[in-house]
This record gives sequence, structure tokens and C-alpha cells, in this order.
Amino acid sequence: EDQVTQSPEALRLQEGESSSLNCSYTVSGLRGLFWYRQDPGKGPEFLFTLYSAGEEKEKERLKATLTKKESFLHITAPKPEDSATYLCAVQAAGNTGKLIFGQGTTLQVKP
Amino acid sequence: KAGVTQTPRYLIKTRGQQVTLSCSPISGHRSVSWYQQTPGQGLQFLFEYFSETQRNKGNFPGRFSGRQFSNSRSEMNVSTLELGDSALYLCASSLLRGDEKLFFGSGTQLSVL
Repeated sequence: EDQVTQSPEALRLQEGESSSLNCSYTVSGLRGLFWYRQDPGKGPEFLFTLYSAGEEKEKERLKATLTKKESFLHITAPKPEDSATYLCAVQAAGNTGKLIFGQGTTLQVKP
Repeated sequence: KAGVTQTPRYLIKTRGQQVTLSCSPISGHRSVSWYQQTPGQGLQFLFEYFSETQRNKGNFPGRFSGRQFSNSRSEMNVSTLELGDSALYLCASSLLRGDEKLFFGSGTQLSVL
């Protein structure tokens, strides 16, 4: 069964304190791995898509990496506005249109 | 460019009733998918529509149904509501099927009493 597990569930950082969020996945043929950000009261907002092991993508203070079993979202020198829930999702080959989401990591960055 | 619009924003129903939720995708987007979000289960895929046809379906009972109109707008219906149907229902649109980038609406918060 296709599955996504994110850790930790919650993370508290001081402003400027870098860290990483983990997303482990089991999928029968990975078509793509996605990272989304969700703020309270809003729908998820797209961040990155990764397609193959070794791929990396960056956006401001965020960098996503992918291996054959997991993905990491590295946050460098976070700011309070980075506080949000970060969601990881996978799309299996042959299952177009369906994303399987992890439970998310809720990040709080204190000034 | 307007985003994905979901109506209503909040809804309170009682057990046994039925409910219809509406989603207007971003102009030009032809694929619409629906997700249920709860604190316990997270985001779970309900179904996906493209060109007025359901293309993929999640593991939800038949009480959950949907449709897509020729203008790509979509509705989902839940009949015989149960307490466990209380959730945030999110609609997402994309230009084509399998697009890497889904644009989500803010959702409809459904409470079943």
C-alpha cells in the first residue's frame, strides 16, 4: 500500500536556527513527490515537485531533496513567517490525479 | 487571476441530511480534484474530474459523489451525513491531468451535528 510518513509532527525553532523535515514514502513506482505549505484557515500552497533520486530544488530559505526512500525539506535561517504546516505528498505511476499526503509537520519559528 | 473558489465557507448540518459543496477552478483549468482533511487522517483523496468525467476515485463510500460541468466547475455531494463526515473539504484545480502544481481553494468546513 502506498504510504507517506512525515516527521517530526511538530517542530519549534528559534529564528535563524536551521533544521530539516523528513518525509518517508512507500509507493509502487514514484511519478512525483510534492511539498506543500498550509497556513491556518487556508488550502495547501504548492512549493516543489521532485521526480527522481538525487534531485534538489530551492526556493528562498527552503531546499528539498529526494532519495529513493525519503525526501527532506531543509529550512535555512528560518523567519517567523515560515511558520506553517508543511505537507509532503506522492503520486504513484499509473495513478494520475491522486496525491497521497503525509500527516504534515507543523513548524513554529519564534522571533 | 482569481484563485480556486469554494462555497460555502462554513456549513452546519445534522446527521442524515445531505450536502452539496461547490468549487470554481482557476479560469482555464480543466482538472478538478477533491480532498477531505481531518486532524486524525490528514488529507485524503476523494475524486478527480477532467472533461466532465471522473478519472480517479479514492476509498470513500458511495455516499460521496461528485460531478463536473462543461465550464469545469465542480460539485461534490455527501448524502446521509454521519458525524465522521465533519471535515474540511478542499478542492484543487490544475491546467491538465497530472499537472505537478495543484492550486487549492480555502475549503468548506463542514460540521455534522
